[in-house]
Amino acid sequence: EPEVTQTPSHQVTQMGQEVILRCVPISNHLYFYWYRQILGQKVEFLVSFYNNEISEKSEIFDDQFSVERPDGSNFTLKIRSTKLEDSAMYFCASSGVEPSSYNEQFFGPGTRLTVL
Amino acid sequence: GESVGLHLPTLSVQEGDNSIINCAYSNSASDYFIWYKQESGKGPQFIIDIRSNMDKRQGQRVTVLLNKTVKHLSLQIAATQPGDSAVYFCAETISGYALNFGKGTSLLVTP
Repeated sequence: EPEVTQTPSHQVTQMGQEVILRCVPISNHLYFYWYRQILGQKVEFLVSFYNNEISEKSEIFDDQFSVERPDGSNFTLKIRSTKLEDSAMYFCASSGVEPSSYNEQFFGPGTRLTVL
Repeated sequence: GESVGLHLPTLSVQEGDNSIINCAYSNSASDYFIWYKQESGKGPQFIIDIRSNMDKRQGQRVTVLLNKTVKHLSLQIAATQPGDSAVYFCAETISGYALNFGKGTSLLVTP
C-alpha cells in the first residue's frame, strides 16, 4: 500500500539554526500539506501546496517557514532560524488523485524536531 | 475564536462494547468532517469522513453521525477491540485543504 514517508524521524538542532524536513508524498497525489503537533496538543495545520504554489497557510506559517517541491517526488519544509517553540512533531500529508479538494489526507509518520 | 473541540478527553471501554466519541464544532461554514486515529508515535490515520449534506455514514465497524443543528459530530465504534486503543481526533474544514483538528480523545480498551 502506498504511503507517505518522512526523513529524518528525529532532528535535533540548536536555536537559530536552519532545518529542512523532508517528505515523499504518495506518488500520484496532487495536494501536499504540513502539520505540526506540539507534545500533548492537537495537530495544527501549517500549509497546503498545490500546483507548485501555496494554496493556504495558517498564522503559524510565518516568514521563517517555507516549502518547496524541488523535484517530482520530494516535498520539504524549511525553518530558517529555529526557535525553542518550534519543537514539535511535524507531519507531512498528501491527498488527491483528482483535482478536488475534498480528499482523504494521508499522513506520514512524522519528524520529531527538538530545538535546544 | 471558532474551534473544534471534544467533550471527553479519555474514554475507557471493555472489549466487545460499543464506543462513542463525541466532538463539537462551532464553525457553521464547515462542510467536511473527518475522524482520525492516532497511535503512539505514528501519524494520524484516516478512519471515516462525512460531508455536510449527509447526517450519517457507515464504514467497517465505524459510523459517523453529523448533527448540523447542534454542530455535533460523533464516532461510533462497534465491538471495540484492543487494537482500537488510540487517540481519536475529529477534524473539520471549509476549504477542503486545511484541517482544523480537535484536541483528541484517548480511547482505552480493557479486556
